[in-house]
Amino acid sequence: DAGVTQSPTHLIKTRGQHVTLRCSPISGHKSVSWYQQVLGQGPQFIFQYYEKEERGRGNFPDRFSARQFPNYSSELNVNALLLGDSALYLCASSTWTNEKLFFGSGTQLSVL
Amino acid sequence: RKEVEQDPGPFNVPEGATVAFNCTYSNSASQSFFWYRQDCRKEPKLLMSVYSSGNEDGRFTAQLNRASQYISLLIRDSKLSDSATYLCVVSLDFGNEKLTFGTGTRLTIIP
Repeated sequence: DAGVTQSPTHLIKTRGQHVTLRCSPISGHKSVSWYQQVLGQGPQFIFQYYEKEERGRGNFPDRFSARQFPNYSSELNVNALLLGDSALYLCASSTWTNEKLFFGSGTQLSVL
Repeated sequence: RKEVEQDPGPFNVPEGATVAFNCTYSNSASQSFFWYRQDCRKEPKLLMSVYSSGNEDGRFTAQLNRASQYISLLIRDSKLSDSATYLCVVSLDFGNEKLTFGTGTRLTIIP
């Protein structure tokens, strides 16, 4: 079975641009979460979606937005990119009640 | 104060030794506790959940002390393949949503 897949794997953008990151959860998983991991730090929670509804939001500015589609895939959008947005963006999926969270291999975003 | 604090290391430990990691969390309302492992340039993977009664999985033992808001991980008979960053993780929910990660402790097992 396929795991959590994310695209693209690497991305280079310049300040002020916007970016869309994509995530496909494991088949049967209805919950998708997004995390940002800056080099040398642990992942930081951005959003959690379940059944296409936002169920949680971390301490990130409104430049960050996300959505979940009927097939449970998800997109993370970041507008007006800043240098500090350079990070590994991780998507994770799970069933609602299953405590195991499965992470994708991430999208490495570099903002120049 | 950080929500989850860990000693960043690095810990350089000879193969076969026992190594212990500690972690403290600030929010007493936290309900779920985990240890994740992250290899270099890879995604985090769940190593084990942590329960108040303590739990063991092979060479790995995790303990939770709610009164002290303290979590530990013990690795016995360390292997070269144990080299990784170990992330202490806490959640206010009973499930796995909205996880709060520590900065991680880097472990290198020396042959």
